[in-house]
Amino acid sequence: QQPVQSPQAVILREGEDAVINCSSSKALYSVHWYRQKHGEAPVFLMILLKGGEQKGHDKISASFNEKKQQSSLYLTASQLSYSGTYFCGTDSVTSGSRLTFGEGTQLTVNP
Amino acid sequence: DAGVIQSPRHEVTEMGQEVTLRCKPISGHDYLFWYRQTMMRGLELLIYFNNNVPIDDSGMPEDRFSAKMPNASFSTLKIQPSEPRDSAVYFCASSFAGRTQYFGPGTRLTVL
Repeated sequence: QQPVQSPQAVILREGEDAVINCSSSKALYSVHWYRQKHGEAPVFLMILLKGGEQKGHDKISASFNEKKQQSSLYLTASQLSYSGTYFCGTDSVTSGSRLTFGEGTQLTVNP
Repeated sequence: DAGVIQSPRHEVTEMGQEVTLRCKPISGHDYLFWYRQTMMRGLELLIYFNNNVPIDDSGMPEDRFSAKMPNASFSTLKIQPSEPRDSAVYFCASSFAGRTQYFGPGTRLTVL
């Protein structure tokens, strides 16, 4: 079952904040976040393994609510380099190492 | 360290021809994944290997697709015969212990 991402697209001005959500109908084991720029490969951002875990990388952080089967990616003080499509990939206890990716959220940061 | 290496980067072929995509995973990684990305279907897993053994090939669309991993440093994805609907970007990714997956640059396949 493919996770659902929202919003599908968001446009920001440099310095603004954004939140991207990822939810699943299945019990999740972990959530993986990737960013893909046009014509390039997805680039790993972070992985969240436990319920309630929160991680951060520079001004990008994420949370994972295992009970709600949801994860959110927070981008603060956005930079032009943040533009791209953000994907969440999820796996469950029974899926092994198989990741199922959401449809992606297209983020555009304008000057 | 070199990342995942894929070849060719671009492939244009005619319907009915055989296509072979190649992947060299990151040294030391024991998992290898093949994905296909299209606008319509997004990023979908085709097959993955653990220690050179295929574990899950449920995403392989049909018998025209086959994948092999003869050793820890090389894998191929073959399409025979190719069809226009196979046009997509094919990514190979590798990971250690099945966790963080690192993607290669992809092969853009166009079937005319």
